[in-house]
Amino acid sequence: NAGVTQTPKFRILKIGQSMTLQCAQDMNHNYMYWYRQDPGMGLKLIYYSVGAGITDKGEVPNGYNVSRSTTEDFPLRLELAAPSQTSVYFCASSPGDQPQHFGDGTRLSIL
Amino acid sequence: GESVGLHLPTLSVQEGDNSIINCAYSNSASDYFIWYKQESGKGPQFIIDIRSNMDKRQGQRVTVLLNKTVKHLSLQIAATQPGDSAVYFCAESLDNYGQNFVFGPGTRLSVLP
Repeated sequence: NAGVTQTPKFRILKIGQSMTLQCAQDMNHNYMYWYRQDPGMGLKLIYYSVGAGITDKGEVPNGYNVSRSTTEDFPLRLELAAPSQTSVYFCASSPGDQPQHFGDGTRLSIL
Repeated sequence: GESVGLHLPTLSVQEGDNSIINCAYSNSASDYFIWYKQESGKGPQFIIDIRSNMDKRQGQRVTVLLNKTVKHLSLQIAATQPGDSAVYFCAESLDNYGQNFVFGPGTRLSVLP
């Protein structure tokens, strides 16, 4: 049972490039989340989804897009990378009003 | 003792002592609270949770206390071990469905030999 799997683990982008951060969970959880964590800070919610086909904005959605075509996958898209998006990105899932299970993160640097 | 560093508050305790990590939450309507542990290079890991209809909940070596009057949450770790060294976050659920969690800034726990 892999839990929440994030790929890639590390990535360096140039300003203006685009990329997709992948997240997959094998626990059949309806709820999935994307957070960013800046150095020495807590997690800030970017987007979340309560089920396939349903997504909603969190606290810091600007510059990001998401889709949820299946229960298992919740990719996060950066269209025009900016230095302010340098961060560690965490994906999480949960069955609902219960603790979230987190992946090990994607460390993204934009230069 | 407890000190505020450049980024995270840090709590240093001797191995074997008890640790108390505190968290102030923002919304008096929050009804669900979670403590997470984050080790270096890893994602947050669930430790213990508590709902607003409780004041105290105990797990293995950990206890969470909830004071709704002053919107305060604490995590107590008994007989702190080197493996407890990590950053600890509290999170509050701002809705009744667990869809929208707000995380605190975290406290770094350092266990001294």
